[in-house]
Amino acid sequence: DAKTTQPNSMESNEEEPVHLPCNHSTISGTDYIHWYRQLPSQGPEYVIHGLTSNVNNRMASLAIAEDRKSSTLILHRATLRDAAVYYCILRDNNAGNMLTFGGGTRLMVKP
Amino acid sequence: DTAVSQTPKYLVTQMGNDKSIKCEQNLGHDTMYWYKQDSKKFLKIMFSYNNKELIINETVPNRFSPKSPDKAHLNLHINSLELGDSAVYFCASSHQQLAGLAKNIQYFGAGTRLSVL
Repeated sequence: DAKTTQPNSMESNEEEPVHLPCNHSTISGTDYIHWYRQLPSQGPEYVIHGLTSNVNNRMASLAIAEDRKSSTLILHRATLRDAAVYYCILRDNNAGNMLTFGGGTRLMVKP
Repeated sequence: DTAVSQTPKYLVTQMGNDKSIKCEQNLGHDTMYWYKQDSKKFLKIMFSYNNKELIINETVPNRFSPKSPDKAHLNLHINSLELGDSAVYFCASSHQQLAGLAKNIQYFGAGTRLSVL
């Protein structure tokens, strides 16, 4: 899987939007961009994924750059429960099943 | 109902022992996985398994072996436990036969914290 680069940590205030960046300059045409998060003492949890177009679901939005070399996970209103490590992962949908996790971004949410 | 459940939640054992961690999923998925999260919090894939093939991460020692009695279970057996095996182990599952974007979404258990003394 291609490599992704994320900031080690970010801070946000409660009730404010959060933009979590991810760089993936070596992304290939068949790589999907996946985001998972891991809350403290829990297993990773799927958040969202996309290929080229921006995606929205009940948890977050995913904005994908036109050249696909970067993407941004958007939490529209951060809550204390959103404090977690967020992982940006590239997956080739046709090349096997396993996820390769990087270091992720630790999001801290201040009340 | 818990979708992916692991037992036990905590496991403390002595070096050299053999232990097993159980994993069950009630999602009807066809593929299951084991991941290891070490003290530095890096998550690494260990195995991917469905009824057709087992894919092993080449860095996993052969003391680790997955056993699948049926599609809903993938247990992890560890022989001759070593201090370095101390970590949190996560089981996950997905449905690889689905078409479209739902295909590669993985669902994780809550983890088993293994401490080898």
